[in-house]
Amino acid sequence: DGGITQSPKYLFRKEGQNVTLSCEQNLNHDAMYWYRQDPGQGLRLIYYSQIVNDFQKGDIAEGYSVSREKKESFPLTVTSAQKNPTAFYLCASSRSSAGASYEQYFGPGTRLTVT
Amino acid sequence: AQKVTQAQTEISVVEKEDVTLDCVYETRDTTYYLFWYKQPPSGELVFLIRRNSFDEQNEISGRYSWNFQKSTSSFNFTITASQVVDSAVYFCALSEAYTGGFKTIFGAGTRLFVKA
Repeated sequence: DGGITQSPKYLFRKEGQNVTLSCEQNLNHDAMYWYRQDPGQGLRLIYYSQIVNDFQKGDIAEGYSVSREKKESFPLTVTSAQKNPTAFYLCASSRSSAGASYEQYFGPGTRLTVT
Repeated sequence: AQKVTQAQTEISVVEKEDVTLDCVYETRDTTYYLFWYKQPPSGELVFLIRRNSFDEQNEISGRYSWNFQKSTSSFNFTITASQVVDSAVYFCALSEAYTGGFKTIFGAGTRLFVKA
């Protein structure tokens, strides 16, 4: 079945450690996105990528980094510089948004807890 | 600047009631897109509908219907004869042109409780 996988579903880390969240899609989508969701709030864009080897910062990119070496994969690293990393992280993909905006398909999310 | 307002934080209804979720948006662009997504307790957002700014035709899909009114910058979502399985958080989103593509922002969401 086509879709987006994120792993792990739950992740626990100590403060000061970097952690990488995995996101893989087999939908053949060009665009991929990372969002952060805090309790009772909407989604906020961290990074997005329209094409392989290219990505742009979203609204809350500080303390995060990404790579897009393959079309299928868009891992997110939460660095120790992120001041409040505990949150629910959602990865999404869509058709290329160069000429229009298309619906995004979401993964099941990773709930990160940093103590 | 883009903005999406979902003024209803939580709504609670009894099964079989109709319920309308409000969405008001702000944009300076003439070309934009509107979306609704459903987030069930499992956490994964599910796409419901996409609308572009040039298509004001209302849409009905089963028990779901959407009312798009550019004059009031609203894109409201109605569930007819609600069911317990409709309990979820619903997000309205606005997408407008940005450098290199389109950028989407989400409203804060409306949590719907449907009681049996």
